[in-house]
Amino acid sequence: GAGVSQSPSNKVTEKGKDVELRCDPISGHTALYWYRQSLGQGLEFLIYFQGNSAPDKSGLPSDRFSAERTGGSVSTLTIQRTQQEDSAVYLCASSPSGGAFTGELFFGEGSRLTVL
Amino acid sequence: DAKTTQPNSMESNEEEPVHLPCNHSTISGTDYIHWYRQLPSQGPEYVIHGLTSNVNNRMASLAIAEDRKSSTLILHRATLRDAAVYYCILLPLIQGAQKLVFGQGTRLTINP
Repeated sequence: GAGVSQSPSNKVTEKGKDVELRCDPISGHTALYWYRQSLGQGLEFLIYFQGNSAPDKSGLPSDRFSAERTGGSVSTLTIQRTQQEDSAVYLCASSPSGGAFTGELFFGEGSRLTVL
Repeated sequence: DAKTTQPNSMESNEEEPVHLPCNHSTISGTDYIHWYRQLPSQGPEYVIHGLTSNVNNRMASLAIAEDRKSSTLILHRATLRDAAVYYCILLPLIQGAQKLVFGQGTRLTINP
């Protein structure tokens, strides 16, 4: 498809398990972002990538969270030893910011994570 | 980061115009004003952005005050589908990516 694709759309896991969330950005988009949104809350920035490098990881809530991006395309957000407070919708966005950043992000539908 | 201030919520009627305000008194000369909206159960979507002049696109209009310390997103004829949280964000135009920091936004309710 032409948009940002995220998988899985829904994930239910048990506390303490590891989860991986995947984001396929729009083809050719060099910037990729991860946000999360807890129920009824605003969007919380986690990390962004410019190509394969992550200039800003300031939003990752703890060392249980990590993200990587390979080939300037697909990104994986990994949460180790999940906790109940990790339950949220994880949103990925991409941007064609090879040149000047115009501020237009294209968001996916999100991955809803529920930790029991 | 330059800060924006928006009302927590607004209400309007279907087929009427809606004016969503945003205050950004500490805006710098290179900051662009961006608007996003988030429909229920969806990711945010870009609406419009501008620097100094008013801007129009198929979704909305952006009216920017002459001193740039405030702006207004205008939905000319609201529909039920416009019910969403609207975010006003300031961003400098720079080379390469930068993060967008979303505030609490304005929750817009449209009455039939």
